[in-house]
Amino acid sequence: GAGVSQSPSNKVTEKGKDVELRCDPISGHTALYWYRQSLGQGLEFLIYFQGNSAPDKSGLPSDRFSAERTGGSVSTLTIQRTQQEDSAVYLCASSRDRQETQYFGPGTRLLVL
Amino acid sequence: AQSVSQHNHHVILSEAASLELGCNYSYGGTVNLFWYVQYPGQHLQLLLKYFSGDPLVKGIKGFEAEFIKSKFSFNLRKPSVQWSDTAEYFCAVKTTGANNLFFGTGTRLTVIP
Repeated sequence: GAGVSQSPSNKVTEKGKDVELRCDPISGHTALYWYRQSLGQGLEFLIYFQGNSAPDKSGLPSDRFSAERTGGSVSTLTIQRTQQEDSAVYLCASSRDRQETQYFGPGTRLLVL
Repeated sequence: AQSVSQHNHHVILSEAASLELGCNYSYGGTVNLFWYVQYPGQHLQLLLKYFSGDPLVKGIKGFEAEFIKSKFSFNLRKPSVQWSDTAEYFCAVKTTGANNLFFGTGTRLTVIP
């Protein structure tokens, strides 16, 4: 079946601009995760959604970062007033529920100039 | 805080050589353990996982990993590598209290034909 999809695949923006990154999880997966992969580092957790429950935002690095998940499916990660240190690959993953294996999308490579 | 260590940053092997990549974690409770692989230009894929039972788990493409609870380790092994195994390998841990995976910084494997 279809895997996790993300768009855009690449995004170049200027410092100070807002960006929106989209994730479409695997159909039927109730859990959705956002991670960030910076150069030379492992994946860093950002936010987790499970069904209609309140999201776990404990990984968001600042209040410039926010995310929402509409209708329990598609999710959007928004970064306001982007900074150069926000440059990274943003990965989305989904799983059938919190305890199950996470499947990753191809990522969005963000470059802030 | 939980952490995952992958001590080998870059490993270079000739084809047919044996492989062992180290992974250690710091968490005293129950864990689920994963190895993910990222081939050049592709997204993260699950290689193998351990949830419970036999501590020696087998994954795709001839890979296996052994969970040694007393050493907090989950090393990845393959008896004979191929050029197509060239990729980045990530160890990940999920603890009982957390929603997210904790990732190591990855090990880049280069296999020389």
